[in-house]
Amino acid sequence: GAGVSQSPSNKVTEKGKDVELRCDPISGHTALYWYRQSLGQGLEFLIYFQGNSAPDKSGLPSDRFSAERTGGSVSTLTIQRTQQEDSAVYLCASRTPSGGAYNEQFFGPGTRLTVL
Amino acid sequence: AQSVTQPDIHITVSEGASLELRCNYSYGATPYLFWYVQSPGQGLQLLLKYFSGDTLVQGIKGFEAEFKRSQSSFNLRKPSVHWSDAAEYFCAVVSRSNDYKLSFGAGTTVTVRA
Repeated sequence: GAGVSQSPSNKVTEKGKDVELRCDPISGHTALYWYRQSLGQGLEFLIYFQGNSAPDKSGLPSDRFSAERTGGSVSTLTIQRTQQEDSAVYLCASRTPSGGAYNEQFFGPGTRLTVL
Repeated sequence: AQSVTQPDIHITVSEGASLELRCNYSYGATPYLFWYVQSPGQGLQLLLKYFSGDTLVQGIKGFEAEFKRSQSSFNLRKPSVHWSDAAEYFCAVVSRSNDYKLSFGAGTTVTVRA
């Protein structure tokens, strides 16, 4: 079946512009995550959605970052007034809701964001 | 503070040779442990995971990992490396008390030479 998809695959923007990154999780996966992968820094948790519960936003680095999930499916990560340090690969993952960490997170291919 | 450490940034190994990637964690209690692989241009793929029970875990692609509580380690091994194993490997943990956030190590890049 279809995996997690993300768009665009690459995004180049100018400093100060806003960007939107999209994630389409696997159908039926109510848990959705965003991570950031910066060069040499590994993966950093950003935000977690689970069904209708309030999202865990504890990993968002600043108030320029926000995310929403519409209809319990598609998610959009928005970065306002982009800065050069926002350049990274943004990864989305989804998993089934039951079993907690027992269930594998399935990752999308990522969006590579470059801020000039 | 809780942390995951992968001491080796880059490892080069000959095709057919064995491979071992190190992972150490610092958590209050034994977390859930994972190894992921990221091939060039690909998303992360789960290789194996440890929750409890047998400390030697078998995964996909011929990989295995051994959990050692006394050393707070979860090292990944493969007896004979193939050129297609060239990739970046990430160790990750989830706290048993907060079982939805993955914390990743910085990753180890593996280069396979012919």
